[in-house]
Amino acid sequence: GQQLNQSPQSMFIQEGEDVSMNCTSSSIFNTWLWYKQDPGEGPVLLIALYKAGELTSNGRLTAQFGITRKDSFLNISASIPSDVGIYFCAGRDTGKLIFGQGTTLQVKP
Amino acid sequence: DAGVTQSPTHLIKTRGQQVTLRCSPKSGHDTVSWYQQALGQGPQFIFQYYEEEERQRGNFPDRFSGHQFPNYSSELNVNALLLGDSALYLCASSSPGRIGNEQFFGPGTRLTVL
Repeated sequence: GQQLNQSPQSMFIQEGEDVSMNCTSSSIFNTWLWYKQDPGEGPVLLIALYKAGELTSNGRLTAQFGITRKDSFLNISASIPSDVGIYFCAGRDTGKLIFGQGTTLQVKP
Repeated sequence: DAGVTQSPTHLIKTRGQQVTLRCSPKSGHDTVSWYQQALGQGPQFIFQYYEEEERQRGNFPDRFSGHQFPNYSSELNVNALLLGDSALYLCASSSPGRIGNEQFFGPGTRLTVL
């Protein structure tokens, strides 16, 4: 099925470091979303972006909607151990969400 | 405020059997979407229900069918199970009429087909 290209696939960082991950698509989306999934749980919405060029923050998280509407990135500042998990980008195509493959984040205390 | 709930949490079936998974949407939401998440992959859209009708469908065979009830809860049915149907099945609810509406996910049902 259709998927977005998300990178990097995994990251192993030291607590306190900043993290950056991105997502690209061959298709244009009018809405970009970032979710976090913990083991055994469903994805939890972190940030929603609705306008090309939009930059939105949620605490230590900042995400941007690319100008071309074909990409987005997510930054996490001053990482902490509870940031561990899998981060997914998603583009909304009418009613359905198209997901990336995920970025697995591990944080070393 | 109860979030999206799904049942059962885990299920083991054998090839050829049929399975029914259930979902109750978040309070105030009237639209339910179903996703299949294989191990190590992102969720894949199966279909979406609104006003008790299938509104949109992803690239899944007819073995996958669904239903939405008047109280907005939903079921996902899979017939003639294959080994490849083993996955986490996620339900998400939303309310399209609301500004900033997005999909909120339940914890999922882990289906294992032997």
